[in-house]
Amino acid sequence: NAGVTQTPKFRVLKTGQSMTLLCAQDMNHEYMYWYRQDPGMGLRLIHYSVGEGTTAKGEVPDGYNVSRLNKREFSLRLESAAPSQTSVYFCASSEGIMNTEAFFGQGTRLTVV
Amino acid sequence: GQNIDQPTEMTATEGAIVQINCTYQTSGFNGLFWYQQHAGEAPTFLSYNVLDGLEEKGRFSSFLSRSKGYSYLLLKELQMKDSASYLCAALDSNYQLIWGAGTKLIIKP
Repeated sequence: NAGVTQTPKFRVLKTGQSMTLLCAQDMNHEYMYWYRQDPGMGLRLIHYSVGEGTTAKGEVPDGYNVSRLNKREFSLRLESAAPSQTSVYFCASSEGIMNTEAFFGQGTRLTVV
Repeated sequence: GQNIDQPTEMTATEGAIVQINCTYQTSGFNGLFWYQQHAGEAPTFLSYNVLDGLEEKGRFSSFLSRSKGYSYLLLKELQMKDSASYLCAALDSNYQLIWGAGTKLIIKP
């Protein structure tokens, strides 16, 4: 039972470098999300998708692009990393929105120097 | 603006009971979630309340008062493994989850 798998687990980037975080779920969920988690703050939604081929902006979308490759996979791309993007990133998926739990990946700890 | 408030940290004793409070202010309301997050791990779902009252699930219970914008998570018979952060999140009228910063619960023997 894999659930939600995201890669990589850790990464250090230099300012201006790019990278893609990958997320895959095997629960046939329609909804997928990318969050960032910073100390002393709640999870903040970056982008989300309500189905294959759809994406939408969340609370903090600037500096990030996403792609819903198919029903299983949802990627997050940083085109030109900045130190302010140092954070722990979580991918999540859910069957719906109301009264449905979200399942989270194990997180990616990203440091931008 | 939208806001979730919960204590930053709480300490309790193994075997005891602890109540973690959460107050919320959101544009509309479609339910309140509680998640548990152990250090360095992913959040995992604990409960969902949309109607007023208490929902019991084993050692954990969650309460909601919509008129007061208030919820609490009650943990009974505390075990060392309950040491974790507990995240409160409210679903607003646009079905967006607004998350609190989390309450770090420390359990002492």
